[in-house]
Amino acid sequence: DVQMTQSPSTLSASVGDRVTVTCRASQNIDDWLAWFQQTPGKAPKLLIYKASTLDSGLPSRFSGSGSGTEFTLTITSLQPDDFATYYCQQYDSYPWTFGQGTKVEIK
Amino acid sequence: QGHLVQSGAEVKKPGASVRVSCKISGYILIELSIHWVRQAPGKGLEWMGSFDLEDGERIYAQQFQGRVTMTEGASTDTAHMELSSLRTEDTALYFCAIPAPGRDVLDYWGQGTLVTVSS
Repeated sequence: DVQMTQSPSTLSASVGDRVTVTCRASQNIDDWLAWFQQTPGKAPKLLIYKASTLDSGLPSRFSGSGSGTEFTLTITSLQPDDFATYYCQQYDSYPWTFGQGTKVEIK
Repeated sequence: QGHLVQSGAEVKKPGASVRVSCKISGYILIELSIHWVRQAPGKGLEWMGSFDLEDGERIYAQQFQGRVTMTEGASTDTAHMELSSLRTEDTALYFCAIPAPGRDVLDYWGQGTLVTVSS
């Protein structure tokens, strides 16, 4: 199974900050990586797929990069709605696996 | 646009089984693969498996092999996930999710079904 490791686990930031979340895969997954945003009690929401493609209708302050085993999610100018937990997920091979999550909290 | 609506919360005793339903609109079920993901309280997301309704292939995560069954409902717009031999650690929010036709990524999600396992 491909293990996904995110860092940091928690990130404290302020509105307007630029934040970066890192995701590392235990083996090469090319660019078969998605990023999701989740708020408590709600379903995850797709943000980024194919490592760097922003899903339709989402603000351009979200961006993704990387390939192979190292990936990043960047949020420029953090907004109040962005305080949430973010998960990376590989869909290169079964079983699909998620990172453990990064909680972005208000500083 | 896909829209997924799941069945209501369940409370079960250890050893029992639970069936969670996922009603899908916006797409024809036969064109889809249905994925199930769960989240224990305060924990991360865990992929349980998938059911490709076009070719009938089911892929289950190893930790659920022998306990999980993913099926298509009698009606043409509903999928089910049944988990048997429930343990207290199966208490979680269970989600169904689908890629849009022709895509690989989980585009649309149900609202989640809370399953509580308690004696």
